Amino acid sequence: SQTIHQWPATLVQPVGSPLSLECTVEGTSNPNLYWYRQAAGRGLQLLFYSVGIGQISSEVPQNLSASRPQDRQFILSSKKLLLSDSGFYLCAWSSSGTHSGNTIYFGEGSWLTVV
Amino acid sequence: QKEVEQDPGPLSVPEGAIVSLNCTYSNSAFQYFMWYRQYSRKGPELLMYTYSSGNKEDGRFTAQVDKSSKYISLFIRDSQPSDSATYLCAIPSNTGNQFYFGTGTSLTVIP
Repeated sequence: SQTIHQWPATLVQPVGSPLSLECTVEGTSNPNLYWYRQAAGRGLQLLFYSVGIGQISSEVPQNLSASRPQDRQFILSSKKLLLSDSGFYLCAWSSSGTHSGNTIYFGEGSWLTVV
Repeated sequence: QKEVEQDPGPLSVPEGAIVSLNCTYSNSAFQYFMWYRQYSRKGPELLMYTYSSGNKEDGRFTAQVDKSSKYISLFIRDSQPSDSATYLCAIPSNTGNQFYFGTGTSLTVIP
């Protein structure tokens, strides 16, 4: 069966510090990978998605970046965090290919507080 | 117009009540519909997955799709305090690599 791991679960970082959140998927190959941010009462905001190694699409201009160094690894980074970067970050995966009946699965999330 | 709109709630019901959670969508070509449950400070988990119109039942949960009115619902029978969570509706795009989410409805079931 497929599993998704995301870490760290919680972190508190000062303004201006770097960020690295990591996500790995097991039990599948060539998945689509996603990073979402969820603000309280505002739903899920898609930040980045990737259909393959080195292929990253950005949905929202910001000081965050994403990388996919391996097939089942997805990393969210920032060189200098802003207060507005605080939030709940979710990694997710779905099967590759183009078919309308796809499903998306989420990791446990990472709570980021920028102070 | 957003692809998916969801009643935001919050919703508070007594234990044992029937709960109705609702979303509307804009694109009549959508065929697959999902409901996720998200507990506080956790990632969303897939609860129900339905195709086209009609009802799908899983224990105390029933997902209903009305394609004529572009309306999807999740019913919870005999609600329990453990059902207290945020529920999100979701629809995959027709290419399957994008997903449209409702903003979520927060449900509290009071013992």
